[in-house]
Amino acid sequence: AQTVTQSQPEMSVQEAETVTLSCTYDTSESDYYLFWYKQPPSRQMILVIRQEAYKQQNATENRFSVNFQKAAKSFSLKISDSQLGDAAMYFCAYRSASYSGSARQLTFGSGTQLTVLP
Amino acid sequence: DAMVIQNPRYQVTQFGKPVTLSCSQTLNHNVMYWYQQKSSQAPKLLFHYYDKDFNNEADTPDNFQSRRPNTSFCFLDIRSPGLGDAAMYLCATSRKIKDPSGTKNIQYFGAGTRLSVL
Repeated sequence: AQTVTQSQPEMSVQEAETVTLSCTYDTSESDYYLFWYKQPPSRQMILVIRQEAYKQQNATENRFSVNFQKAAKSFSLKISDSQLGDAAMYFCAYRSASYSGSARQLTFGSGTQLTVLP
Repeated sequence: DAMVIQNPRYQVTQFGKPVTLSCSQTLNHNVMYWYQQKSSQAPKLLFHYYDKDFNNEADTPDNFQSRRPNTSFCFLDIRSPGLGDAAMYLCATSRKIKDPSGTKNIQYFGAGTRLSVL
């Protein structure tokens, strides 16, 4: 079974600064997907960024980028130029590349609560 | 425009009184998921439908049931809610898509229904 670990329950960052959220995972599979989801208070969870394990290039979406280290099983999220609207709970998630049965599910980490200070 | 819609946003029920939560989607995705998320915890998958095929997680209590009458709708039935079932319930959908950049299978979440049990 896969596990996802987020070792930082809480993080804070000054507005306009950069912050990195950590995520490690454990799997015996070679092909899989990794995601960062954002869940603002009382609002729905939305996808921030995704990474295919077979791609060496780190994914980037505007101010959000990842540092994917497959050998180390590490998948950190970097938020540049932090904005007040970035404040939320961030979940790292894993999904198998297989598309059958329980492999379709997302395995979530425990989340990191990000506070953005004005 | 909301693509995964959950009703109601807030639901209050009494201990032991059956309750149904609903989810609808406009994405025409073939997979629908139900997650339970307790306060400050990661979402936990209860079950999912792949088309009409129901896939239950091994540790989902029998108290939780689901129905999917058509592609667009999925219901979560809690037969006899206990105090421990108070949580946010998240519906998500996904579909495997192939495009020039590769295969994508992203889960889109609804805003959730917060269930209180009195």
